[in-house]
Amino acid sequence: QKEVEQDPGPLSVPEGAIVSLNCTYSNSAFQYFMWYRQYSRKGPELLMYTYSSGNKEDGRFTAQVDKSSKYISLFIRDSQPSDSATYLCAMSAGPTNAGKSTFGDGTTLTVKP
Amino acid sequence: GAVVSQHPSRVICKSGTSVKIECRSLDFQATTMFWYRQFPKQSLMLMATSNEGSKATYEQGVEKDKFLINHASLTLSTLTVTSAHPEDSSFYICSATATGELFFGEGSRLTVL
Repeated sequence: QKEVEQDPGPLSVPEGAIVSLNCTYSNSAFQYFMWYRQYSRKGPELLMYTYSSGNKEDGRFTAQVDKSSKYISLFIRDSQPSDSATYLCAMSAGPTNAGKSTFGDGTTLTVKP
Repeated sequence: GAVVSQHPSRVICKSGTSVKIECRSLDFQATTMFWYRQFPKQSLMLMATSNEGSKATYEQGVEKDKFLINHASLTLSTLTVTSAHPEDSSFYICSATATGELFFGEGSRLTVL
């Protein structure tokens, strides 16, 4: 069983929809949670990071962590075609260990105009 | 955000040859650089951690004699795939950090014929 499980999708939504992306994990040592966006044939780009359980909002993006359930989510409001990409969750013991994060396999999202 | 440049973005080589990939942090000095490998529709797998002026630390299962990593300065790390074989074909990505936040390169697509 993988330490981090992420539904690969693909996920296709109409423009303006709310998107929910999720990951589950099994390692209790993970305390630092990240979401990356990766466009085709490009390197990942950090979208958000969070340490604690609860919600963190940044514009149209909300990251949610539930440590008791070992479950994290990324919500995208008012989705746009430019949001079409693969979204990777990643987690580590702390921010100084981010380079050694365990990554999910990624969820491919397509937002149709 | 900070810029990490990777070169070449695509390379095709014959089986048995060696290929060098460069990773440069353009506007900051990276204390640590990381090298990953990513197969299609799969997550990033950490190959090695590289600190300037010291030997790279390889993850379990990664052959250090096959994947040579040199980190000669705070802005440059190189990955050399020696005696490449078709099974080495993959997307190789580097990341760099100075403060804990990771900045990824654009990736290098290696195809070994």
